[in-house]
Amino acid sequence: KAGVTQTPRYLIKTRGQQVTLSCSPISGHRSVSWYQQTPGQGLQFLFEYFSETQRNKGNFPGRFSGRQFSNSRSEMNVSTLELGDSALYLCASRVSASNEQFFGPGTRLTVL
Amino acid sequence: DAKTTQPPSMDCAEGRAANLPCNHSTISGNEYVYWYRQIHSQGPQYIIHGLKNNETNEMASLIITEDRKSSTLILPHATLRDTAVYYCIVRAHGSGNTGKLIFGQGTTLQVKP
Repeated sequence: KAGVTQTPRYLIKTRGQQVTLSCSPISGHRSVSWYQQTPGQGLQFLFEYFSETQRNKGNFPGRFSGRQFSNSRSEMNVSTLELGDSALYLCASRVSASNEQFFGPGTRLTVL
Repeated sequence: DAKTTQPPSMDCAEGRAANLPCNHSTISGNEYVYWYRQIHSQGPQYIIHGLKNNETNEMASLIITEDRKSSTLILPHATLRDTAVYYCIVRAHGSGNTGKLIFGQGTTLQVKP
């Protein structure tokens, strides 16, 4: 089985721009979660989607949003980018009945 | 979800067992102990989880104390490729649980030749 894939792997944007990151879960996995990792704050939960519905949301501003499609693929969007949004963005998927999450390699976002 | 406490760093000689401790004194009866690790710049990797019995898989063993207030992850024969940050996480199972994992700072394990 292919693992969780994330695209793009690296991205450079400037302040004020917006960005969309994509995540393809493992086949058969219906839940997708997103995390932000920075040196200062560590790994922080952004949100989780299950069957196209957001189930839980972390403590991030409204500039961070996401969605999930009927094939379970998910995207997250960050609008009006700030320097502090520079981070590794990780996506994880799981089978709904299991708590074992599988993480993708992440997207490294740099905001200049 | 209960909070966990881990030492910030540990060293281990290659080929020896690595024993990584975790304290979770406020763990609830329905909360499991999970271990993940993150090798530099990669996504976290699931290692093992358990409720109250000791667990073993191809990667590691998990020893949970009888009162469940602490646990130890054991890598039986550490290799250089086991150098990583190891995270201990506790979370509940059940129909209402979500995919949210609360990561602490973890333990940086350095395996030395």
